[in-house]
Amino acid sequence: NAGVTQTPKFQVLKTGQSMTLQCAQDMNHNSMYWYRQDPGMGLRLIYYSASEGTTDKGEVPNGYNVSRLNKREFSLRLESAAPSQTSVYFCASSKVADTQYFGPGTRLTVL
Amino acid sequence: GQQLNQSPQSMFIQEGEDVSMNCTSSSIFNTWLWYKQDPGEGPVLLIALYKAGELTSNGRLTAQFGITRKDSFLNISASIPSDVGIYFCAGENSGGSNYKLTFGKGTLLTVNP
Repeated sequence: NAGVTQTPKFQVLKTGQSMTLQCAQDMNHNSMYWYRQDPGMGLRLIYYSASEGTTDKGEVPNGYNVSRLNKREFSLRLESAAPSQTSVYFCASSKVADTQYFGPGTRLTVL
Repeated sequence: GQQLNQSPQSMFIQEGEDVSMNCTSSSIFNTWLWYKQDPGEGPVLLIALYKAGELTSNGRLTAQFGITRKDSFLNISASIPSDVGIYFCAGENSGGSNYKLTFGKGTLLTVNP
């Protein structure tokens, strides 16, 4: 069991470039989440998918789009990256809301 | 939106000392959780609390769900260097119909050997 995996681990983008962060879980969880972590801000929810086929906005969705490709995979897309999107991005999954399992994170720098 | 106030923001302690941190909210939560994030890693669940007044231990860690359902604390006894990391509290208050957690901003713990 790999748990929650994320790719890539590190990425540097120029302002205006686009990219997709990938996330997959092998725990047969229904719900998946994308968070960003910034110094002093804790974890802020970007988007979540309560179940396959549904996605909803979280606290900070502007500038992002998501796709729940199937039960296992939930991707996060930055269409036109901005320096304010420099952050560490975490994907998580859960069977029930109260026990979320996190991936190792993607460290993104936008120049 | 809901907010969790977590304190302290950071702590510097000597190995062997006990540690206490807490979270408070103006909202009621049905579940309180405590996560730890090691440097360069994702958060890992330490303890989950489901009932007001519940006191739960996990090794040297003890956490309590406040009677008012608006607060929780985490204690670490006899700290060791590997306790270093960021500790997050999180709350869930929908009985399962809302799939979101609310996170505190974290307590950064440094343990000096």
